[in-house]
Amino acid sequence: SQQGEEDPQALSIQEGENATMNCSYKTSINNLQWYRQNSGRGLVHLILIRSNEREKHSGRLRVTLDTSKKSSSLLITASRAADTASYFCAKNSGGYQKVTFGIGTKLQVIP
Amino acid sequence: DAGVIQSPRHEVTEMGQEVTLRCKPISGHNSLFWYRQTMMRGLELLIYFNNNVPIDDSGMPEDRFSAKMPNASFSTLKIQPSEPRDSAVYFCASSLGRSGNEKLFFGSGTQLSVL
Repeated sequence: SQQGEEDPQALSIQEGENATMNCSYKTSINNLQWYRQNSGRGLVHLILIRSNEREKHSGRLRVTLDTSKKSSSLLITASRAADTASYFCAKNSGGYQKVTFGIGTKLQVIP
Repeated sequence: DAGVIQSPRHEVTEMGQEVTLRCKPISGHNSLFWYRQTMMRGLELLIYFNNNVPIDDSGMPEDRFSAKMPNASFSTLKIQPSEPRDSAVYFCASSLGRSGNEKLFFGSGTQLSVL
């Protein structure tokens, strides 16, 4: 991928469990973003964390950023079947907002 | 707002033909991005514009690919001549493009099949 490697590439969990996805990157960033993609659709923005932030919450989503390890994680708590989708981290670098994506994590939540 | 609008949704063409993909960004957005998505390579950034000016086209795979943004409300991605390995979903996205800490809004994509 151009930037950002998600781990795992696929994840299958039961409804109600928590899902954790990780992302690593190689160079410095302005911010890191997480997106969701349902099958056959465009990507939808979930959350943005700036390089000077360490943790951010949005509803059932929790994102952490460790710039020393060049890694981020997305936690979805109390997962639902509707959370089934692919999740991508995106690194924002460069002077004019160059946003590059990883391969993504395919999440399946089993009802 | 209708969001980012891409056309066509699906394009089937024969090898060697010219393909033009179109994108209308969200009104007021200053940055526009073209991505290509395949199973093997994921989402690749091809090119992005700020204020209609191409900023980084290092992701454009070959000279067969070209992109233009003649005004703030329209962009095209052209492939000439097309090849079967160009088959992919092409996404356009836009953002406010002012602070650098803004989210991207994606279109629904164009599914391109080159036979």
